[in-house]
Amino acid sequence: DARVTQTPRHKVTEMGQEVTMRCQPILGHNTVFWYRQTMMQGLELLAYFRNRAPLDDSGMPKDRFSAEMPDATLATLKIQPSEPRDSAVYFCASGPSARPNYEQYFGPGTRLTVT
Amino acid sequence: GQNIDQPTEMTATEGAIVQINCTYQTSGFNGLFWYQQHAGEAPTFLSYNVLDGLEEKGRFSSFLSRSKGYSYLLLKELQMKDSASYLCARNSGGYQKVTFGTGTKLQVIP
Repeated sequence: DARVTQTPRHKVTEMGQEVTMRCQPILGHNTVFWYRQTMMQGLELLAYFRNRAPLDDSGMPKDRFSAEMPDATLATLKIQPSEPRDSAVYFCASGPSARPNYEQYFGPGTRLTVT
Repeated sequence: GQNIDQPTEMTATEGAIVQINCTYQTSGFNGLFWYQQHAGEAPTFLSYNVLDGLEEKGRFSSFLSRSKGYSYLLLKELQMKDSASYLCARNSGGYQKVTFGTGTKLQVIP
């Protein structure tokens, strides 16, 4: 069955290094979301795209984070330089934009640890 | 986020009924989601309410009152596998911008 895939599943890196996370949305879905989840803050929306165009990235720290969709099958989230406070699970989700339920399908997440 | 409030933790007995409440800011509201998230896994969709009232889906039901900014998720005939976090989330604006609460961790005990 169709699933959102994310790579890598786990990433451990040192402070200051660049981190790139990748997501393949479900084929045919035209909205893609990036979320970050921590124990303290819960699930936070970082950015989302519709038809590959960024609609909202107000939740993302602009100085170090960037999100792109080079094509309809790939979304990337980049952190440069990474900091220990970026340690979290990063989820990608995709969904059809058609009503009525706007359900989002989440990938398995990338667990990032920055030391 | 955006004034979504739900209890942090709840405990209930296997076979019983539990109600998880959620209150949210009503301005710009388009709809209310409930997601289930087992530990170490991704959230999975349970329900989406746009209109007032109760929607039933098997053992799970979700209720919405738009005027009160209030929703609840009702779980019947609890099973051990229902132990998970339940996330309330609101859909705002003309887009699918979804803001999640911090979740309610439900523990089902024998």
